Amino acid sequence: GAVVSQHPSWVICKSGTSVKIECRSLDFQATTMFWYRQFPKQSLMLMATSNEGSKATYEQGVEKDKFLINHASLTLSTLTVTSAHPEDSSFYICSARGTRDRSTDTQYFGPGTRLTVL
Amino acid sequence: AQKITQTQPGMFVQEKEAVTLDCTYDTSDPSYGLFWYKQPSSGEMIFLIYQGSYDQQNATEGRYSLNFQKARKSANLVISASQLGDSAMYFCAMREGRRVYNFNKFYFGSGTKLNVKP
Repeated sequence: GAVVSQHPSWVICKSGTSVKIECRSLDFQATTMFWYRQFPKQSLMLMATSNEGSKATYEQGVEKDKFLINHASLTLSTLTVTSAHPEDSSFYICSARGTRDRSTDTQYFGPGTRLTVL
Repeated sequence: AQKITQTQPGMFVQEKEAVTLDCTYDTSDPSYGLFWYKQPSSGEMIFLIYQGSYDQQNATEGRYSLNFQKARKSANLVISASQLGDSAMYFCAMREGRRVYNFNKFYFGSGTKLNVKP
């Protein structure tokens, strides 16, 4: 299957600091990338959708100034959690769709990043 | 109304037996795609199988098959010859057609935790 990488796989930071998470599609061009948040034993919650070269579209209730998304190239999107607080601790997972499986628009997911804010 | 409903929070199956995970969906769009993903305890989301709304035959991928009943709006996942490594969370997802605004968006069910017993 397609490969999407995410870095870092886990991060611990102090309250008030910013954390950047990278999502890369390794073997296809990702015209659209998605960022999700997942709480323990729950389903995925879509945070935002980003198309390469344009501003991200945020879901209702997601603060765009707090969760900055950049999709500067067809293989890289970044999520920056600004001024992180303990309530931002969660599992963040990205996905990508693009030049692979155009007819199905399958989303391929990264391995996720576990963020812990102290 | 929920777009995707998975009514089985948890399931047990004996190793080497078949198991069916239920999924029903709700859409008025005639064009849509249905997906199943596996999420092991490591957190990565693994794409398993896809079924398009216009596909005449049920999708199959190795030990995975999708029992697609369009009139009932159900897309159940069947895993044959269960293995211990199949123990994981399984999510059903739907993408609506390109005529729908934000057609990229996936709607996920709440998931089913499958435990395979030796």
